[in-house]
Amino acid sequence: GAGVSQSPSNKVTEKGKDVELRCDPISGHTALYWYRQSLGQGLEFLIYFQGNSAPDKSGLPSDRFSAERTGGSVSTLTIQRTQQEDSAVYLCASSQSGVYNEQFFGPGTRLTVL
Amino acid sequence: GESVGLHLPTLSVQEGDNSIINCAYSNSASDYFIWYKQESGKGPQFIIDIRSNMDKRQGQRVTVLLNKTVKHLSLQIAATQPGDSAVYFCAETFSGGYQKVTFGTGTKLQVIP
Repeated sequence: GAGVSQSPSNKVTEKGKDVELRCDPISGHTALYWYRQSLGQGLEFLIYFQGNSAPDKSGLPSDRFSAERTGGSVSTLTIQRTQQEDSAVYLCASSQSGVYNEQFFGPGTRLTVL
Repeated sequence: GESVGLHLPTLSVQEGDNSIINCAYSNSASDYFIWYKQESGKGPQFIIDIRSNMDKRQGQRVTVLLNKTVKHLSLQIAATQPGDSAVYFCAETFSGGYQKVTFGTGTKLQVIP
């Protein structure tokens, strides 16, 4: 069975451009999370989707960040007008419903904003 | 605010020795704790978890200890192997919330052959 996949694995963009990061969760997992990891830092929670419920967007750092999850499966994280401080690894994780279910992480997308 | 921190940013141990990685948390409402291992270039991988109604849980070569009185969590790795070299994160969450998980900064474990 395939794990969580993310694309692209690396993305280099210029300041001010928009980027889209994709996450394909494990089939059947209803929960999906996005995190950001800066160099040498821990994981910063960004957004959480659970089934058809309204997402928890409390971790999004600014209104330049948004995320969608279509059909309860694939998710896209969009960063508009990228800034240099957006440079980080963006990790996606999925799990079955319920807080005690293990989160499975993808390999991440390394975003570099020049 | 909420925070999860680690006492030691790096830890070097001899192969075969036991490793202990510590973590402090500040949110007393947290009732579920997880340890993750992250190898270079990969996403974090679940190692072991513990609920707040327990103070110890054992897995294969790993043990997690929880001291709610002082809000302290530790991960013990027995007979550390080179493959254990990675960054280890503790994480906390509250089961009554939106499953938002707060991660610590991480400890880098280096195993000396």
